[in-house]
Amino acid sequence: DGGITQSPKYLFRKEGQNVTLSCEQNLNHDAMYWYRQDPGQGLRLIYYSQIVNDFQKGDIAEGYSVSREKKESFPLTVTSAQKNPTAFYLCASKDGAGLQETQYFGPGTRLLVL
Amino acid sequence: AQSVTQLGSHVSVSEGALVLLRCNYSSSVPPYLFWYVQYPNQGLQLLLKYTSAATLVKGINGFEAEFKKSETSFHLTKPSAHMSDAAEYFCAVRVAGGTSYGKLTFGQGTILTVHP
Repeated sequence: DGGITQSPKYLFRKEGQNVTLSCEQNLNHDAMYWYRQDPGQGLRLIYYSQIVNDFQKGDIAEGYSVSREKKESFPLTVTSAQKNPTAFYLCASKDGAGLQETQYFGPGTRLLVL
Repeated sequence: AQSVTQLGSHVSVSEGALVLLRCNYSSSVPPYLFWYVQYPNQGLQLLLKYTSAATLVKGINGFEAEFKKSETSFHLTKPSAHMSDAAEYFCAVRVAGGTSYGKLTFGQGTILTVHP
């Protein structure tokens, strides 16, 4: 089955700790995205990557870092600099181009602070 | 820059009643518009998308949306609500061309409750 997997489903972070959220896709998509979801605020873009070994900051990149060493994988690290990390994190990948372009989402990771 | 406004953070309907979820957008260039649905603690699932072909777009689960350029709207409707439609719905816009890199801008979301 093709799709996007995110792990873990729930993640707990202690103060001052860096944590990494996993996102893997076997859809052969070039572009991948990380969004943060807070109640009543919709989704906000953290980082995106159009191709392997390249990524760009989104609207709320401060306190986060990413890497894109493989086409299939786009992990997100929530650093200790992110003072309000509690949120639902969604990874997406993009299919098609132009009119056919569509983003597909993984099941999400909920990050909680201890 | 583009933006999306969803009118009403909560909408409640009876089973069998019409569902209407409102979405207005602003964009200086022709937009591509999307509706996604999210069930609790899950990712987003694409319901339908407008990509400048037919202005009335049919999606999954009996939903449809009409693009009205004069009103800058893309409201989501379903003639008869089902209990399984209870979820949160997001409208999103993507501008065509340029250097947007496929970025989606989302509305704040509308939680749909369906009463028996």
